[in-house]
Amino acid sequence: KAGVTQTPRYLIKTRGQQVTLSCSPISGHRSVSWYQQTPGQGLQFLFEYFSETQRNKGNFPGRFSGRQFSNSRSEMNVSTLELGDSALYLCASSPGRTGPYGYTFGSGTRLTVV
Amino acid sequence: GENVEQHPSTLSVQEGDSAVIKCTYSDSASNYFPWYKQELGKRPQLITDIRSNVGEKKDQRIAVALNKTAKHFSLHITETQPEDSAVYFCAAQAAGNKLTFGGGTRVLVKP
Repeated sequence: KAGVTQTPRYLIKTRGQQVTLSCSPISGHRSVSWYQQTPGQGLQFLFEYFSETQRNKGNFPGRFSGRQFSNSRSEMNVSTLELGDSALYLCASSPGRTGPYGYTFGSGTRLTVV
Repeated sequence: GENVEQHPSTLSVQEGDSAVIKCTYSDSASNYFPWYKQELGKRPQLITDIRSNVGEKKDQRIAVALNKTAKHFSLHITETQPEDSAVYFCAAQAAGNKLTFGGGTRVLVKP
């Protein structure tokens, strides 16, 4: 079955702009989590959505937001981009029912802010 | 919230030797401990996991152990091969909670 699909793979944006990233989970998976990966900070949790509701949230500023649609696809938005937002953004899907379960990651979106 | 610490941050081993990575966690409610391998330029991939009702688990060259009392768990790779070179992440999770990752260990297997 298809894996986790993230689009786009690469993005270059200017400071102050906003960006939207998309993630389609594995068919049947209802939980989507987002992580920011940078060389110095490892994998930092942004938020998790389950059945269109944010279930968990990390310690990122309000410029980072997300949502999930009824088909479980999720989007992440970053407004007023800063240079420090340059990173690989990974989403991961899991069944989301009583678990926990391992996550399957997408290939990520590499965002560069200039 | 949960905090996961991982050591060492880098590990260099000779091909054929063993590699050991150790992690500690803080939340006693955590009951699921997966390990991910991330090769350069690729996504993290789940390589093994252990749940709190199991003390250790072995699958070919990879073994994981969990000590719930001490709140630490470890990954052992035996007979390392060049293709084992990657960054390895440990993680911990309680049901319904986020998956919290350690800082990662860069493993280099020298031929």
